[in-house]
Amino acid sequence: QAGLTQPPSVSKGLRETATLTCTGNKNNVGGRGAAWLQQHQGHPPKLISYRNYSRPSGIPERFSASSSRDTASLTIIGLQPEDEADYYCSAWDDGVSAWVFGGGTKLTVL
Amino acid sequence: EVQLVESGGGLILPGGSPRLSCVASGFTVSTSYVGWVRQAPGKGLEYVSVLHGGGQTYYADSVKGRFTISRDTRTNTVYLQMDGLRVEDTALYYCTKLDTSGHDFDYWGRGTLVAVSS
Repeated sequence: QAGLTQPPSVSKGLRETATLTCTGNKNNVGGRGAAWLQQHQGHPPKLISYRNYSRPSGIPERFSASSSRDTASLTIIGLQPEDEADYYCSAWDDGVSAWVFGGGTKLTVL
Repeated sequence: EVQLVESGGGLILPGGSPRLSCVASGFTVSTSYVGWVRQAPGKGLEYVSVLHGGGQTYYADSVKGRFTISRDTRTNTVYLQMDGLRVEDTALYYCTKLDTSGHDFDYWGRGTLVAVSS
C-alpha cells in the first residue's frame, strides 16, 4: 500500500515557524484529510492533530493543521526545543481500504 | 484514562508464531477501533491491522494471510496472532486505539519488540 509523502527533514531556528507538509491523493488526504503524530526519540507516537484540524487535550495552540487539495500541512509557531521530534501524517485511504502513513519528517530546532 | 499495554514480543525464529497481547483500559474494545502499527528499527510507522468494534478486520497487504487480529471482551484485550514470521517483520509493535470515526490513531501503547532472527 502506497504511503503519503513527507520531506525527510526540516531545520528551523528557535522561536521560528516551521511548516511540515504531507502529500497524498484524492483517495486519502484530498478526500479524508490527515492526522498528525509527534514522536520523540524512544517514545511512542502521540496524536497532535485530528484530521478535522482539532487538537487533542493538552496540545499547545502553537500547533495548527490545515490542508489544500491533496496536501496537508502542520504549522508550528514559536519553535521550542521540545518540538524537536519526528512528525508523521496518517490518513484512511479509500482506494486501498487501508490506513496509510507518511515516511515522517525529522524536525530539528537549531 | 485510556491505557494500552502490550506484551508478547521477543526474539523469534523465522517461521515462528508468537501472539501479541494488548490490554486496554479506559475504554471498551468491543465498541472501538483497536489496531496494531509497527515500526522497524530506525524506520517509519507502518499500519498492520485493525479490528472494528463491530467485528470487521483489516490487514495490510504485507501481513494478510499470516497475521490474525482478535479480541477477548471479557478481559478487554486485543491480540495479534503472528504466523510465518519473516526477518522483515522485525519491529516495535504498537497497540493503538482509533477515534470514533475510525480514521485517526489517538492513543498508543509503549510497544512490544518483535525481533525475527535465526
